[in-house]
Amino acid sequence: DAGITQSPRYKITETGRQVTLMCHQTWSHSYMFWYRQDLGHGLRLIYYSAAADITDKGEVPDGYVVSRSKTENFPLTLESATRSQTSVYFCASRDRTPQGETQYFGPGTRLLVL
Amino acid sequence: GDSVTQMEGPVTLSEEAFLTINCTYTATGYPSLFWYVQYPGEGLQLLLKATKADDKGSNKGFEATYRKETTSFHLEKGSVQVSDSAVYFCALTPTSGTYKYIFGTGTRLKVLA
Repeated sequence: DAGITQSPRYKITETGRQVTLMCHQTWSHSYMFWYRQDLGHGLRLIYYSAAADITDKGEVPDGYVVSRSKTENFPLTLESATRSQTSVYFCASRDRTPQGETQYFGPGTRLLVL
Repeated sequence: GDSVTQMEGPVTLSEEAFLTINCTYTATGYPSLFWYVQYPGEGLQLLLKATKADDKGSNKGFEATYRKETTSFHLEKGSVQVSDSAVYFCALTPTSGTYKYIFGTGTRLKVLA
């Protein structure tokens, strides 16, 4: 299927465990993003990547690690999960055309840290 | 810095009512403006966008006009349906060409039959 896929869609883990959220896009967009969505905060940018092997911090990067060895994949790792990382995580990619640009979002991963 | 302010929700309407969700922004230059919709349990979907002043974005009966003079991008629909129940996010991306998207906190719409 074309677009952005995320896996798993739901995850329950325990404090201190490492968790990796996967993101895959089929468009070959250069830019990819990870957001978290929390009540009262809207969407906050965790990390972004401008291309393979180029990543940078967003607004709330602490406790997260990303990598981008291939253009189509952009995994997000919680090195040692904390309860405050319970959230819904969205991956997105950016399409740029002469008419402007648009971000397209995956379906999200709902993470619960116990 | 750049910011987006949306009206607080939830907004509850009867089917076929007129919808307005207010969005104002703060940004330098001429940002691009967007409305995204999030249905329960799903990711954000682009609803409409406008890239310059006085542009009107439209999709699925929804409209929004880029008003530079009032720094606004209010979302409207003439007759809502139960299926429009969702959370609506206003967003902007600055003209500097950076990657950044600035999102509002979202407005939940509930339409009653």
